[in-house]
Amino acid sequence: EIVLTQSPGTLSLSPGERATLSCRASQSVSSSYLAWYQQKPGQAPRLLIYGASSRATGIPDRFSGSGSGTDFTLTISRLEPEDFAVYYCQQYPMYTFGQGTKLEIK
Amino acid sequence: QVQLQESGPGLVKPSQTLSLTCTVSGGSISSGDYYWSWIRQPPGKGLEWIGYIYYSGSTYYNPSLKSRVTISVDTSKNQFSLKLSSVTAADTAVYYCAASSFGYYFDYWGQGTLVTVSS
Repeated sequence: EIVLTQSPGTLSLSPGERATLSCRASQSVSSSYLAWYQQKPGQAPRLLIYGASSRATGIPDRFSGSGSGTDFTLTISRLEPEDFAVYYCQQYPMYTFGQGTKLEIK
Repeated sequence: QVQLQESGPGLVKPSQTLSLTCTVSGGSISSGDYYWSWIRQPPGKGLEWIGYIYYSGSTYYNPSLKSRVTISVDTSKNQFSLKLSSVTAADTAVYYCAASSFGYYFDYWGQGTLVTVSS
């Protein structure tokens, strides 16, 4: 079973700053099979990135994904107030999720 | 755009069977365009995929839950359903239904429904 470990657990930043979130897999994951989601309190997760680096429909270009093998990164270039949320990575074929990174306002 | 809505009891007794239905709109289950999944999230915790069904009826379950899970589809009602047997307090969670266009990630999600297991 592939385990996804996200770091940091909590990231405290200010609007306008750059956020870098990490997702590390216990075994190599095909880039095609790595996705990122954003979840706000009381809401369902929303797909942000699929195929490690492709933005989903309607996702602003300040969100970008990169990485391969066992190390993947979600970058938010310039934080907007609405970006403060919990972020999850997810892999296929077993559809496992990371434990999440909480992005909070500093 | 596909929309999903979960429905079912919000309270289930221990050892009983949890049953939920997801109603799909904005798209037809029988089109074969999506895989239809159930995902859950215990309060304050992370996400756990439960399983999926394809319009043909083929299923794939999380091995950790496989012995207790049944997912079925009713194409005439454009719905798919989840049954989780022998529930315990550990099954208390928000249950989401979701659609996956290529089977690799989840494009669309329902709003989620909280199911509490308690006597």
